[in-house]
Amino acid sequence: DSGVTQTPKHLITATGQRVTLRCSPRSGDLSVYWYQQSLDQGLQFLIQYYNGEERAKGNILERFSAQQFPDLHSELNLSSLELGDSALYFCASSPTPSGNTIYFGEGSWLTVV
Amino acid sequence: AQSVAQPEDQVNVAEGNPLTVKCTYSVSGNPYLFWYVQYPNRGLQFLLKYITGDNLVKGSYGFEAEFNKSQTSFHLKKPSALVSDSALYFCAVIIMDTGRRALTFGSGTRLQVQP
Repeated sequence: DSGVTQTPKHLITATGQRVTLRCSPRSGDLSVYWYQQSLDQGLQFLIQYYNGEERAKGNILERFSAQQFPDLHSELNLSSLELGDSALYFCASSPTPSGNTIYFGEGSWLTVV
Repeated sequence: AQSVAQPEDQVNVAEGNPLTVKCTYSVSGNPYLFWYVQYPNRGLQFLLKYITGDNLVKGSYGFEAEFNKSQTSFHLKKPSALVSDSALYFCAVIIMDTGRRALTFGSGTRLQVQP
């Protein structure tokens, strides 16, 4: 158990809908990362937050947004969902913004039908 | 472009034999290199990392990796494979991007250890 908690574990929704994925980092970790894992794109870095502030941005679509709250949990919002958004979404955390070692949650499976 | 590559989609090895999972990198400056493992329906688990120092890095579950600067490689190795090592292995590198770092992963290598 990495200590990173993600909910929900599985989610099925229809195209055009909006979903929110939630992440609680390891106790004491200030940095949160979001990754998307799909068969065709592999593991893609989406976005990083550190202590509530956006730290780095990767291949995140404009339809997607994220935030980190004062209690350090994070949410990834996915809107106007398309079939191609079906993927495993990972949250990860690390104590520092440099991310020398980051620890992953078990992911949220999103299926868009 | 700065990146990390895993040239093999799958590696097959018999139980008890040594295993190697290959990784090469292309990064300007000094790379921070990592190996993660993903078991079916699970998240990624950290195995080991190279930041600086000794080129041979020892990690979890008996795995080790050797940083080779001249060959720009960071291959994962284990002297004696177990069936339970069968999983998806990812090499990763931290890439500096305007001073902000993001862990970038290779495409993954599926390791299959046969009994």
